[in-house]
Amino acid sequence: GNSVTQMEGPVTLSEEAFLTINCTYTATGYPSLFWYVQYPGEGLQLLLKATKADDKGSNKGFEATYRKETTSFHLEKGSVQVSDSAVYFCAPLDSGAGSYQLTFGKGTKLSVIP
Amino acid sequence: GAGVSQSPRYKVAKRGQDVALRCDPISGHVSLFWYQQALGQGPEFLTYFQNEAQLDKSGLPSDRFFAERPEGSVSTLKIQRTQQEDSAVYLCASSLDVAGGATDTQYFGPGTRLTVL
Repeated sequence: GNSVTQMEGPVTLSEEAFLTINCTYTATGYPSLFWYVQYPGEGLQLLLKATKADDKGSNKGFEATYRKETTSFHLEKGSVQVSDSAVYFCAPLDSGAGSYQLTFGKGTKLSVIP
Repeated sequence: GAGVSQSPRYKVAKRGQDVALRCDPISGHVSLFWYQQALGQGPEFLTYFQNEAQLDKSGLPSDRFFAERPEGSVSTLKIQRTQQEDSAVYLCASSLDVAGGATDTQYFGPGTRLTVL
């Protein structure tokens, strides 16, 4: 199965700072890659995804590029806002043997202060 | 409905009781998943259905856990003889399964928070 190593949190940034959350994974084959976000008091929401090598997923100013060579899918945003405060999860999709389970990292808690 | 719904949202059980957690997936979604999220951790896969067929139950932690989706829509996760270590948030997700599932987005419900005393 897959495994994920995600940047340890918590991360505290000032508004308009640059954000990087590192994510590396191990997998058999080339899984689709996802970032999910969990805002306080809410459920998991898809943030962005990439389904093949060199694809860039983007949404709400966030970006991540599928790097096959380094098995990484780092999340970046050029200028964070207070409303970005949440827990972020990196998750490859294991599609071996006809099952399609997501393998989640431990999550990185981001706090953005004004 | 517009999204995945789960009920109850909160459940408190005494150790040894049986519980049943319900999931209503997005209408028309073929695939349904259950995950368990312990406090401060990422979700962990429990089981996967394609329509009414349970194709993967490799993540169920013990034979006390049982899931079903008899008509290919609503699903129920049942936990028998609950233990304190079962305390967690149980998440349900569904996906459309357009391309066989390998690229599909899974849409999550709000979860059921189970506390076993």
